[in-house]
Amino acid sequence: EVQLVESGGGLVQPGRSLKLSCAASGFTFSDYYMAWVRQAPTRGLEWVASISYDGGSTHYRDSVKGRFTISRDNAERSLYLQMDSLRSEDTATYYCTCFNYGTDYFDYWGQGVMVTVSS
Amino acid sequence: DIVLTQSPATLSVTPGESVSLSCRASQGISTSIHWYQQKSNESIRLLIKFASQSISGIPSRFSGSGSGTDFTLSINRVESEDFSVYYCQQSYSLLTFGSGTKLEIK
Repeated sequence: EVQLVESGGGLVQPGRSLKLSCAASGFTFSDYYMAWVRQAPTRGLEWVASISYDGGSTHYRDSVKGRFTISRDNAERSLYLQMDSLRSEDTATYYCTCFNYGTDYFDYWGQGVMVTVSS
Repeated sequence: DIVLTQSPATLSVTPGESVSLSCRASQGISTSIHWYQQKSNESIRLLIKFASQSISGIPSRFSGSGSGTDFTLSINRVESEDFSVYYCQQSYSLLTFGSGTKLEIK
């Protein structure tokens, strides 16, 4: 059974940092591109960042470029999202998900982890 | 960015009815549309890929159609477990999602 389990969320003040983690099991982790997708109550689902099989290629939505860093550890079967200079508009539930390059639909999703940016 | 408009925002139906959910793209995207189901307290689930291609393990009552700018997710004879929110997503240019259609019990 495929499982993606996110952790690391919480309440953080604007301008501070937070690191999300995602533990994967039940599939060959290194065979998939990985991504973070977030869902804020007022904005629906938004793709945030993606990373290639080996971590050599990353992509970000414009609003998080320079502030967020996606990374992965294939030996640990883990995905990460380092979030710096957080803003109130980053408040959302963050989902770990995977996809095949070239098809770009999301095969599996985690349960999500809540991030609240507020003073 | 390509904008996806889903309608209606909420659809109230009786179990056993058949329904169609709409997703319209702001420009032509061929068949690069995918559908997901989101239930409360559960993971989001892929239902249909590339407008009409089925996904292993998804009940056959779910089907998709369309190309270009207009797409439809159909549910034949809605069951109680189907009441949830449905999203479309395009992969033609970058990755964007629709705002969702909530299917609720009448």
